[in-house]
This record gives sequence, C-alpha cells and structure tokens, in this order.
Amino acid sequence: DGGITQSPKYLFRKEGQNVTLSCEQNLNHDAMYWYRQDPGQGLRLIYYSQIVNDFQKGDIAEGYSVSREKKESFPLTVTSAQKNPTAFYLCASRNRGLGQPQHFGDGTRLSIL
Amino acid sequence: KNEVEQSPQNLTAQEGEFITINCSYSVGISALHWLQQHPGGGIVSLFMLSSGKKKHGRLIATINIQEKHSSLHITASHPRDSAVYICAVQFPIDQFYFGTGTSLTVIP
Repeated sequence: DGGITQSPKYLFRKEGQNVTLSCEQNLNHDAMYWYRQDPGQGLRLIYYSQIVNDFQKGDIAEGYSVSREKKESFPLTVTSAQKNPTAFYLCASRNRGLGQPQHFGDGTRLSIL
Repeated sequence: KNEVEQSPQNLTAQEGEFITINCSYSVGISALHWLQQHPGGGIVSLFMLSSGKKKHGRLIATINIQEKHSSLHITASHPRDSAVYICAVQFPIDQFYFGTGTSLTVIP
C-alpha cells in the first residue's frame, strides 16, 4: 500500500542533542512538508520541498534543518538551537498542482528529557 | 496575514445529531481542505473545495468564496465521528495554513 511513514512514533531528546525525524513516502509525490503541532494551535509549517535537492523555509524554520536528496525521503533534524522542541511533528506529501490534497504520516511525538 | 478561524473549538453531541463546523479565512485562496485527525494523531483528508458543495456519505462540505467561509456538516452523527476536524486553506504557492481545529465528541 502507498503511504507516508514517519519514524519513530515517540522520540526523546536530551538537552543539547540534535535528533532526526524520518519521513518516507512511496506515493511518488514531488512535494513534501514538515509541520509542527502544539496544543491549541494549528499546524505550522517548518520546511517544505517541491522537488529533489530544493527546499524552502516555512514560518518556523529556526532551529530546524532538512534535506531532500531523494524524492522519497525528507528527514527533519531538530537541532539544539531549537529551544522548545517538545511537540508533535507531522510530515505530509502531495502531488503538485491546484487542489491536490496532502497525505499525512502518523506523526512523531518529540519530548525533552 | 493569512488567518483561518474555526468554530466552535469544542463540540459535544448526542449520537444522531446534525453537526456543523465553521471555517472562515481572511484572504483569497486557491482551495480549502477539510481534514480529520484521530486521537492517535494521524490526519486524513476529507474534502477539497474550490467552490460549491461536496458530499461523501454522511459528510457534506460547502464553501462560499465571496464570504470566505466554509462549513462541514455531519448528518446522523455517530461516536466513531469523534475526532478533531481541521480546516486548511491552500494558496497558489503550494502552501497551506491551518485552523486550530474543532474537537468533536459524539456520545452514544
């Protein structure tokens, strides 16, 4: 079955550590997105990529980094510069074009130890 | 600023009731999406609208482009409809902005 796989489902980080969240899709989608979800707030865009080897910052990119070396993969690194990383992180992908819906992964919940 | 407002924030209904969730946005958009998020966190796309009305089973979504408003209706609600419903607006630059969601609980 085609879909988006995020791993791990739960992740714990110590202060000062970088951690990488995985996102893999087999839907052959060009565009991929990373969102952060906090209680009481809508999803906020961290980074997005419309094509391999290209990505753009979203509204809250500070303290995060991404790469897009393969069409299927869009890993997100939460760096130690991100002062409040505890959140639920969602990855999405879609075909480019008007009205194409996003397909979401099941999310990764990151907590600070 | 791209604002997306949903109401109500929380909604409790008895099984069988007709439910309406509203979404308003502040600027012109390319399309509007209704999403469903279950307690585990996964999100499913329910509808994409650029005009008019769409129906899928007991779910109906409408949009009024001039008024910048959309509604999601659930007829004959059921406990399995309990979830968070999220409105998202899409812009031509392939970006999306999301409402804060409406948490729906349907009581048997």
